[in-house]
Amino acid sequence: QMQLVESGGGLVKPGGSLRLSCAASGFTFSDYFMNWIRQAPGKGLEWISDISSRGTTIHYADSAKGRFTISRDNAKNSLYLQMNGLRAEDTAVYYCAREHSGFDLWGQGTMVTVSS
Amino acid sequence: AIQMTQSPSSLSASVGDRVTITCRASQDIRNELRWYQQKPGKAPKLLIYASFRLESGVPSRFSGSGSGTDFTLTLSSLQPEDFATYYCLQDYNYPRTFGQGTKVEI
Repeated sequence: QMQLVESGGGLVKPGGSLRLSCAASGFTFSDYFMNWIRQAPGKGLEWISDISSRGTTIHYADSAKGRFTISRDNAKNSLYLQMNGLRAEDTAVYYCAREHSGFDLWGQGTMVTVSS
Repeated sequence: AIQMTQSPSSLSASVGDRVTITCRASQDIRNELRWYQQKPGKAPKLLIYASFRLESGVPSRFSGSGSGTDFTLTLSSLQPEDFATYYCLQDYNYPRTFGQGTKVEI
């Protein structure tokens, strides 16, 4: 069964850091581009970042540039999002998503709360 | 960044109704448009990609159309399980951008 499972969310103070992880199973992880997408409480979806199958090409939303770093370890079937300099407006559920014809497989999300 | 504007923001409908949601891009995105459905507390689900191509397993009552700047998602006969929020997404260029969502309510 194909699955993505996020972890690493939690409560962090403004200016703090968190590293999110996304564990993939049931498919050949190294074949796919991967994405991070977030959703603030009661708000819409926001695409954050993607990374190519080999990790050689990366894109970020303006809101993530300079603060967030996406990476992957294909040997561990894992995707990561290192988030530094967190702000209250980064409070959201963070989803990882596989890209095929679209974002066709999503995790359940991990909640990040930035508050003092 | 390309702005995606959905309308309406919300709508009320009944089972069996035909429902249409529109999405307008701030510039030509050819047919690089996807539609997602999200139910409360759940991750989004891909419905349509490349403007009109139905994702595997998605019921045929869902259809998409459009190219350039104007796109439409149509539900031909609303079912109880279709009450949800729908989002468009452009994947023509980076940063990818979502519409603000359309909530379909009873």
